Amino acid sequence: DAGVIQSPRHEVTEMGQEVTLRCKPISGHDYLFWYRQTMMRGLELLIYFNNNVPIDDSGMPEDRFSAKMPNASFSTLKIQPSEPRDSAVYFCASGGQGASGANVLTFGAGSRLTVL
Amino acid sequence: AQKVTQAQTEISVVEKEDVTLDCVYETRDTTYYLFWYKQPPSGELVFLIRRNSFDEQNEISGRYSWNFQKSTSSFNFTITASQVVDSAVYFCALSEASTGNQFYFGTGTSLTVIP
Repeated sequence: DAGVIQSPRHEVTEMGQEVTLRCKPISGHDYLFWYRQTMMRGLELLIYFNNNVPIDDSGMPEDRFSAKMPNASFSTLKIQPSEPRDSAVYFCASGGQGASGANVLTFGAGSRLTVL
Repeated sequence: AQKVTQAQTEISVVEKEDVTLDCVYETRDTTYYLFWYKQPPSGELVFLIRRNSFDEQNEISGRYSWNFQKSTSSFNFTITASQVVDSAVYFCALSEASTGNQFYFGTGTSLTVIP
């Protein structure tokens, strides 16, 4: 398995532009999480899905952020319009319930976003 | 309230020393899971271990060991004979059955092993 695949790995954009981050979870995993990591706030959960359905989006900072999971193998996190304070590393992670009932999250390599 | 507390922000040790990273958690669930993840300088988050709330048996994996104590709500991580490659940020995390498997991460402990 190739693991969780995120793209792009690096994105530099200007304030006001739309940013779309992509994630391909591990096949068979029914949970998908989006996290944001900054020095100031650490790892923040933005949103997570179970079987493609958003379960908790309370961590999404504001209406400029949106996330979708149109099918089991693809998710997007969109920021429109982007602002400098959105600069961070965005991680996607997927997990399977498994027989033990517990997820083990497997993280992607992250997408480093810089908004100028 | 913080569900997972890692009070040590930064730790520095000299190579070959032992080091313990503390993790204290808070939950009312009887069924929950605890995790440790490692984030080396390259940035990826790597899973190290998962324990469930019904299994307090300590675990050892090579130079790594974990001490789970429900009485003190702690899940501490010890690295024996530390090496430079152990330098990373280590995150403790909690997942509760009642909150739909949402993960709560601590703020991380940055470990530097000095050669």
